[in-house]
Amino acid sequence: ETGVTQTPRHLVMGMTNKKSLKCEQHLGHNAMYWYKQSAKKPLELMFVYNFKEQTENNSVPSRFSPECPNSSHLFLHLHTLQPEDSALYLCASSQDLGQGANEQYFGPGTRLTVT
Amino acid sequence: GQNIDQPTEMTATEGAIVQINCTYQTSGFNGLFWYQQHAGEAPTFLSYNVLDGLEEKGRFSSFLSRSKGYSYLLLKELQMKDSASYLCAVEDSNYQLIWGAGTKLIIKP
Repeated sequence: ETGVTQTPRHLVMGMTNKKSLKCEQHLGHNAMYWYKQSAKKPLELMFVYNFKEQTENNSVPSRFSPECPNSSHLFLHLHTLQPEDSALYLCASSQDLGQGANEQYFGPGTRLTVT
Repeated sequence: GQNIDQPTEMTATEGAIVQINCTYQTSGFNGLFWYQQHAGEAPTFLSYNVLDGLEEKGRFSSFLSRSKGYSYLLLKELQMKDSASYLCAVEDSNYQLIWGAGTKLIIKP
């Protein structure tokens, strides 16, 4: 138990569906992240929020839409996804952005399958 | 471009020692992290190096040479529970983590 929870753990959706992934951290951290993890590939950073403000958007397609209502919650809204979007989506948090040994704490991930 | 290289897979014997290497080329350097990820689970933090040298933490040690763009993770007295993927990540000048693809470590009895 890392203090970061994600729901749902598994999600199967069609290409025309709309769904949302939820992440919550109970660590009092200020920064939150969304990553995509595909088999045998490096973790891909998708979005970064620091004090609820988005600081990075690494060329992510608009069919992925993040929302950060407060420092403890992070959402990823999904619509009209493609089969190649099937992957493990990981949420992480850290005390701050940068500033040295800023280890990230990961949630268990949502295994997404797009059919 | 930015690049992190580590072996795809390694095999070692229970009780032995194994060294997992990581080489990197990044835009700036603000530290190097090692994470452990068991199959189907979240990555968990193992170590952080920002200065050259060896950091020891129990059975695990991590080494960094900034001039060579090189790090290794050393695991001693291997146990079956150490079977996992080990991820190397470098914090670049924008404080973003650049990740390697991970090294899958298989421990045999």
